[in-house]
Amino acid sequence: GENVEQHPSTLSVQEGDSAVIKCTYSDSASNYFPWYKQELGKRPQLIIDIRSNVGEKKDQRIAVTLNKTAKHFSLHITETQPEDSAVYFCAAPWGGSNYKLTFGKGTLLTVNP
Amino acid sequence: GAGVSQTPSNKVTEKGKYVELRCDPISGHTALYWYRQSLGQGPEFLIYFQGTGAADDSGLPNDRFFAVRPEGSVSTLKIQRTERGDSAVYLCASSLDGSYNEQFFGPGTRLTVL
Repeated sequence: GENVEQHPSTLSVQEGDSAVIKCTYSDSASNYFPWYKQELGKRPQLIIDIRSNVGEKKDQRIAVTLNKTAKHFSLHITETQPEDSAVYFCAAPWGGSNYKLTFGKGTLLTVNP
Repeated sequence: GAGVSQTPSNKVTEKGKYVELRCDPISGHTALYWYRQSLGQGPEFLIYFQGTGAADDSGLPNDRFFAVRPEGSVSTLKIQRTERGDSAVYLCASSLDGSYNEQFFGPGTRLTVL
């Protein structure tokens, strides 16, 4: 099956700084890469996703980059705010599917005011 | 509109008992997924339904776990002879269909097996 590695496991930044979270995957057939944000005690919510036909996607302060050759993708958050504090998960599909997601172990992001 | 809902929000049971967890997906979503999330981990895929059929149950850990979706909407995850290791948050998600569409998660059911 797919193996998704996520780093770092914790990340602490000052408000206004940028944050970068990186993930690698093993299944070269994977072609869809979502990122989920999960606040404490809440459900995971999709914040951005990218398909393998593009190398970068932006949505306001959030961007995701994808390097299919190296099999890694990254989440970039600029101008961080305290409300960005949460656990972030990357995911990738496995088994030749486009729905069976394997999630990374998560990154706890803390934005200090 | 209403999001994915799950009941109960918490379930405490004793080792060896049978439990049922319910998921109500977003109306019109044909794809439904069950995941399990242990503390400090990401969600772990269990099973995927497309309509009424279990299109992929490769993530179910063993034959004590079973899920149904008889009318293509509400789904029930059933766990027989529960074990302490089954304790986790069970998340349900739904999407428009099973192809590259956002999976919307429910709030989860926290299962504790004593």
